[in-house]
Amino acid sequence: AQSVTQLDSHVSVSEGTPVLLRCNYSSSYSPSLFWYVQHPNKGLQLLLKYTSAATLVKGINGFEAEFKKSETSFHLTKPSAHMSDAAEYFCVVSVGGYNKLIFGAGTRLAVHP
Amino acid sequence: ETGVTQSPTHLIKTRGQQVTLRCSSQSGHNTVSWYQQALGQGPQFIFQYYREEENGRGNFPPRFSGLQFPNYSSELNVNALELDDSALYLCASRGENTEAFFGQGTRLTVV
Repeated sequence: AQSVTQLDSHVSVSEGTPVLLRCNYSSSYSPSLFWYVQHPNKGLQLLLKYTSAATLVKGINGFEAEFKKSETSFHLTKPSAHMSDAAEYFCVVSVGGYNKLIFGAGTRLAVHP
Repeated sequence: ETGVTQSPTHLIKTRGQQVTLRCSSQSGHNTVSWYQQALGQGPQFIFQYYREEENGRGNFPPRFSGLQFPNYSSELNVNALELDDSALYLCASRGENTEAFFGQGTRLTVV
């Protein structure tokens, strides 16, 4: 069965330092993978998606993720954190013919001055 | 702005009551999905409608039901509310070859 595991429930970084949010996936097929961000009292916003094209995916707001099949990972990175990046981040896999989304438990990113 | 709107934004209901949550999708999006997000957890798939027919369902009991209408609106109905139904309910709409766009959600509190 398809699933995603987010390895850190909380990550804290200083403004201007790199961000790394880790995600491992389990899938019987070539997966479609996504990262979504959720700011407080806001809906989910798509950051980026992988759909079997380039393994390094660039998203919005300077985020990118690399699909590594050998490690079954899809980690999210950003070179320099900004205060506005503080939010909850979800790694997501799409499964089935009807593209059901399976979410990880989320990683809360805190950014300190 | 995702073009997906949900109403109401907040709702308080009593255990045993019934509730209807509404979602207005982007024009042209013929797929709508509903998710339940309990506090501190990731969203869980409830069900999906495609062209007014349910075509996928998660691990939720039959008291969770839905409708999709030709005007790109949809409803999530929950009967016999339980305390554990307290959550943020999200709807997402999608076109034939687009990613899912989420609404801001309805925060349901069952007391």
